[in-house]
Amino acid sequence: DVKVTQSSRYLVKRTGEKVFLECVQDMDHENMFWYRQDPGLGLRLIYFSYDVKMKEKGDIPEGYSVSREKKERFSLILESASTNQTSMYLCASSLEGRDEQYFGPGTRLTVT
Amino acid sequence: SQKIEQNSEALNIQEGKTATLTCNYTNYSPAYLQWYRQDPGRGPVFLLLIRENEKEKRKERLKVTFDTTLKQSLFHITASQPADSATYLCALYSGGYQKVTFGTGTKLQVIP
Repeated sequence: DVKVTQSSRYLVKRTGEKVFLECVQDMDHENMFWYRQDPGLGLRLIYFSYDVKMKEKGDIPEGYSVSREKKERFSLILESASTNQTSMYLCASSLEGRDEQYFGPGTRLTVT
Repeated sequence: SQKIEQNSEALNIQEGKTATLTCNYTNYSPAYLQWYRQDPGRGPVFLLLIRENEKEKRKERLKVTFDTTLKQSLFHITASQPADSATYLCALYSGGYQKVTFGTGTKLQVIP
């Protein structure tokens, strides 16, 4: 079974802090994704990566950056957290772009 | 602009009936369409994938249709059970290094 793990289920940070969200997948998938999910807005893609050290902007990349140094790990970085980044963050992976995505359990981030 | 529409209103049906959920899209030429289930506080779980040249796909009590002329997919759950209560998301993929785009989902409630 594919397993996607995220570093934290719940996280509380202060405005202005640098925040790291880590995601690890164990199935040698090429593609990895970071989404945020807010009520009424659905899943919105922040960044995705189709190979190590490659990254592509999604729909809402502002205020975020990513890092993929190893195939199995994809990190999301909030350089200076703001209250409007309070959300559920979901990581996913897929073998190829057209394939089904496997999601992690999510990190609920609160920025105060 | 590209748009994916799912019924934002919750769908309530009686146990044993067939639930039908709709996914409409505009300004899009998806090569693949996927359906996911999401339970509260959890990441989405993949259910079915249908290609643009397929009209229908089945898996146990689930059936998906894909009409590229109408720009619509229908997702059916036959003999619905209370355990089927969840939010169902459709997702479209256009090909190549394009991202997958998710709809906002429809919440299904199966009443015993």
